[in-house]
Amino acid sequence: QVQLQESGPGLVKPSETLSLTCTVSGGSISDYHWSWIRQPPGRGLEWIGYVYYNGDTKYNPSLKSRVTISIDTSKDQFSLKVTSVTAADTAVYYCARYDKWLRDFDYWGQGTLVSVSS
Amino acid sequence: QTVVTQEPSFSVSPGGTVTLTCGLSSGSVSTSYFPSWLQQTPGQAPRTLIYSTNTRSSGVPDRFSGSILGNKAALTITGAQADDECDYYCVLYMGSGVWVFGGGTKLTVL
Repeated sequence: QVQLQESGPGLVKPSETLSLTCTVSGGSISDYHWSWIRQPPGRGLEWIGYVYYNGDTKYNPSLKSRVTISIDTSKDQFSLKVTSVTAADTAVYYCARYDKWLRDFDYWGQGTLVSVSS
Repeated sequence: QTVVTQEPSFSVSPGGTVTLTCGLSSGSVSTSYFPSWLQQTPGQAPRTLIYSTNTRSSGVPDRFSGSILGNKAALTITGAQADDECDYYCVLYMGSGVWVFGGGTKLTVL
């Protein structure tokens, strides 16, 4: 059974960089798109971007200037960096697998709350 | 950027049928957008109910069904149960490797 687990600091100061890692277990990291999705408290879901197993990336145009997603296939991990954070970046951050054949976000991590505050 | 629209809230009686929709601020939703429907209960990660318009995920009861109705994607729940009361999100593939989530519908069963 594929499992995803987010990890990283739960508190980040304004203007600093948010960094999270998602560790994949129980399945291959190859041949899938690996996404980050966030949800501000009490609000809806927002797709942040993805990294393909070969390193190709795509980002939400509204976040593109501040976001970097990378992958380390040797560690079965992919990562998210968001620069110059503000309170608006406070959210539960989820990592998820997208199966391009099924066209489905089929596996999700449990999510991790990141708060931006001084 | 195109906005994906959903009803903010909806109410259904136990045992009743409800259809939630997923549209675009400009244009029509078709199967080419590969609409998915996700269910989210409080404090939990979302889980997919329906993908590629009308395919149920493993373990999802057949009282959940997906379709295209007019110019929108639709999720129909027949025989609504109390534990169907939660949030429902659609997500559309906009092309060029970009996905957009709808704002979500809060479903009340009463």
